[in-house]
Amino acid sequence: GAGVSQSPSNKVTEKGKDVELRCDPISGHTALYWYRQSLGQGLEFLIYFQGNSAPDKSGLPSDRFSAERTGGSVSTLTIQRTQQEDSAVYLCASSLGPQRYGYTFGSGTRLTVV
Amino acid sequence: AQRVTQPEKLLSVFKGAPVELKCNYSYSGSPELFWYVQYSRQRLQLLLRHISRESIKGFTADLNKGETSFHLKKPFAQEEDSAMYYCALSGDRGSTLGRLYFGRGTQLTVWP
Repeated sequence: GAGVSQSPSNKVTEKGKDVELRCDPISGHTALYWYRQSLGQGLEFLIYFQGNSAPDKSGLPSDRFSAERTGGSVSTLTIQRTQQEDSAVYLCASSLGPQRYGYTFGSGTRLTVV
Repeated sequence: AQRVTQPEKLLSVFKGAPVELKCNYSYSGSPELFWYVQYSRQRLQLLLRHISRESIKGFTADLNKGETSFHLKKPFAQEEDSAMYYCALSGDRGSTLGRLYFGRGTQLTVWP
C-alpha cells in the first residue's frame, strides 16, 4: 500500500478484556516495528520483526503482550487481560530493512482501557 | 547503553525568532541520527537524518561527535513549526542496527 495502515484507529475496552491491534506495512518493507506512545513517556519500543529472523521482543512490558507477523507482511499486536496502564497510542512502523534509513509510521491505534 | 536525551520538554519562541531543539546521545559506536516531527493530529514523520545532510522546511541539524549532540536548528521559526519533535538514534551493530531509540520529545510552540 501507499503507507502504513493501522486498525482500528480507536479502541475502548473494558479492563480484563483482550484486544488485537493490526498493522499493514508498506509493501516490500521487510522490517516492522511496534512502539507505544504515552503522555510524558515518549516512544517506548515494544517489538521488531526483520524478515524471517526471530523477532526482537525485548521491549514487551509483560507476558500479556504478544505479536506476530504472518507471511512477512501484516502484523497483529495482542494484549491479553488489559489493564488501565495499557492505555496509550500504539504505533506501527515499517522500513526497507535495517539500513538505518528511518521508518514510515502509521497513524496509530489509540487504546483506552476503562 | 544507547540513550537519547532531549532536555527540554517544552520550548516556546516567537515567530521569526531562531529556534534550537537540543538532543544529546550516548552510544559507543557510530550512530545514525534522525529528527522526527509530529504535528497536531498527524502521524509521526521523518524530518531529517544526519547522513543526508539535508535541510527540510528550513531546519538543519549537525552531528557533533565530540559533544555527542545533534541539535535541530532553524533561523526563523514559523507558526506552522509548532509540533512535537523527537530525536532518534539507530546503532551500527547487532540488535541496535535499524532499531530506533527515541528521546522523550520536545513540544515546540511558535507564538505569532
